[in-house]
Amino acid sequence: NAGVTQTPKFQVLKTGQSMTLQCAQDMNHNSMYWYRQDPGMGLRLIYYSASEGTTDKGEVPNGYNVSRLNKREFSLRLESAAPSQTSVYFCASREGQRGGNTIYFGEGSWLTVV
Amino acid sequence: RKEVEQDPGPFNVPEGATVAFNCTYSNSASQSFFWYRQDCRKEPKLLMSVYSSGNEDGRFTAQLNRASQYISLLIRDSKLSDSATYLCVVNPGRSNTGNQFYFGTGTSLTVIP
Repeated sequence: NAGVTQTPKFQVLKTGQSMTLQCAQDMNHNSMYWYRQDPGMGLRLIYYSASEGTTDKGEVPNGYNVSRLNKREFSLRLESAAPSQTSVYFCASREGQRGGNTIYFGEGSWLTVV
Repeated sequence: RKEVEQDPGPFNVPEGATVAFNCTYSNSASQSFFWYRQDCRKEPKLLMSVYSSGNEDGRFTAQLNRASQYISLLIRDSKLSDSATYLCVVNPGRSNTGNQFYFGTGTSLTVIP
């Protein structure tokens, strides 16, 4: 059972390069999320999508764009990578559009920008 | 002020010990509370939800104190396999931010043989 699948798992980018992190879930969940996790900062929400066709900014959206391609897929794009975007990125999904449901995470993507 | 605050630890305890973690939250209207567990270089996974009346799952007990705005996690009879980082998670639950889940920075636990 796949759950939430994100790719790539590891990536090294040069400053100014662009890349897209892919995420797909097979649980028919409505809500999907992108978080970044940095030492001492905890998980911070970059963008989320409450349902297919909608996206909203989270706590730290600058430097990122997202696309909710369909109900299954939610991608995160870095248009011009900066060293400050070196982090671990987690995609997640949840069944409901309101609070109270479990969030399921992908295995994470380790991104280094040099 | 951060939405959710946790003592980062580390907590180093011997096998069989009882250990407790607390977490405070700033929004008094918060409606949903969770504890997640995260192993090194892995994704967070739900450990347990926290209900108003408190709840227990085996060796784990979670409590909510709305008056003081904190939640707690108690682990009894610690096992080596309990070594991980424990994340406190709070959802405000308001209609326009129902999707905002706020994560604490985590409390690191190491159980020593």
